[in-house]
Amino acid sequence: GNSVTQMEGPVTLSEEAFLTINCTYTATGYPSLFWYVQYPGEGLQLLLKATKADDKGSNKGFEATYRKETTSFHLEKGSVQVSDSAVYFCALSNAGGTSYGKLTFGQGTILTVHP
Amino acid sequence: EAQVTQNPRYLITVTGKKLTVTCSQNMNHEYMSWYRQDPGLGLRQIYYSMNVEVTDKGDVPEGYKVSRKEKRNFPLILESPSPNQTSLYFCASSFPSLGEQFFGPGTRLTVL
Repeated sequence: GNSVTQMEGPVTLSEEAFLTINCTYTATGYPSLFWYVQYPGEGLQLLLKATKADDKGSNKGFEATYRKETTSFHLEKGSVQVSDSAVYFCALSNAGGTSYGKLTFGQGTILTVHP
Repeated sequence: EAQVTQNPRYLITVTGKKLTVTCSQNMNHEYMSWYRQDPGLGLRQIYYSMNVEVTDKGDVPEGYKVSRKEKRNFPLILESPSPNQTSLYFCASSFPSLGEQFFGPGTRLTVL
């Protein structure tokens, strides 16, 4: 079946530091990949997505590249801000069979950014 | 405004007292789903629905029921809640061909 593994958290950084959150996946076929963000007390919001190999998703200074050869979709940001403090979830969606429409999530990574 | 709404946002109840958490979306999405979020486990799918009157189990369906009588609504029913159902619950909807799901604000449920 499908699975997503994220790096262990929590991650604590100073403002303007570089961020990487690792994400690897297992899936059959050609899944779409997503990063969702959850700010305190809120629901999940889509941060970025990529639908095929070598696609780069980007939004709000965050980027992730769909690497089929390494089955990875690592999230990066060059300079984090305090307002980026949140929980980040990597997820995949596979269009095939009984998984159609379903999102499979990683366990989430808590990011805290200090001034 | 396109959105998914859930009610209530917070609920404290006791073991065995039936409850319903409502979910509604205004985007005409075919696909709706319920997830529970627990620390260290991410989000796990409880039930999903591909369209009106079509529902199916997700990964953790035990102790839950759902119905989809109208396209916009997808209530989650706990007929006899137990403490292990204390969790944060999210409803989501989508056009399944696009993959991306839109989430409600969450319902924090505590079962004593």
